[in-house]
Amino acid sequence: NAGVTQTPKFQVLKTGQSMTLQCAQDMNHNSMYWYRQDPGMGLRLIYYSASEGTTDKGEVPNGYNVSRLNKREFSLRLESAAPSQTSVYFCASRGRRDSAIGFGSGTRLTVV
Amino acid sequence: GQQVMQIPQYQHVQEGEDFTTYCNSSTTLSNIQWYKQRPGGHPVFLIQLVKSGEVKKQKRLTFQFGEAKKNSSLHITATQTTDVGTYFCAASGAGSYQLTFGKGTKLSVIP
Repeated sequence: NAGVTQTPKFQVLKTGQSMTLQCAQDMNHNSMYWYRQDPGMGLRLIYYSASEGTTDKGEVPNGYNVSRLNKREFSLRLESAAPSQTSVYFCASRGRRDSAIGFGSGTRLTVV
Repeated sequence: GQQVMQIPQYQHVQEGEDFTTYCNSSTTLSNIQWYKQRPGGHPVFLIQLVKSGEVKKQKRLTFQFGEAKKNSSLHITATQTTDVGTYFCAASGAGSYQLTFGKGTKLSVIP
């Protein structure tokens, strides 16, 4: 039981390049989330998926797209990376709407 | 989404001193959660408070939920170096799947 698994752990992109961050959970959770963490800004919600087949924007969705591929997997795509997207990205999941959220170990992304 | 304000942003304490972080909302919260993130790690769930005026303890950590369910606090008694990290509160609006985090309080403990 690995919990929430994110890949890759580190990535360096050039401005304008695209990439997809992968996330999978093995806890049969309904809801999945993508957050970004920047110094002094806390954790900001990018997108979330309340259940398989649905996705919704969070606080900072611009420049990102998501896909809830199935119940286990929720990917985050940067179509044209910008230096402002340099951040640590966390995927998370939870079973019920009011339950605790479990995080992956994060992806540290640098856009140069 | 739900807005939660957390203060202070930073706190430096001598080992053995107490520490408190506060979380405030302008609206009534259905519940509030607390998380701890160690340096270089990911946030880890500590506790959830649901009832008005609720107080929960975990060893040296005391969590409180205000009577009006608009504020919460985390108090650590006699801090240790193992308490170092950033403490976040998080809340959802009624019926919402979004979980909004405060900006966190970064605790440094001086041995």
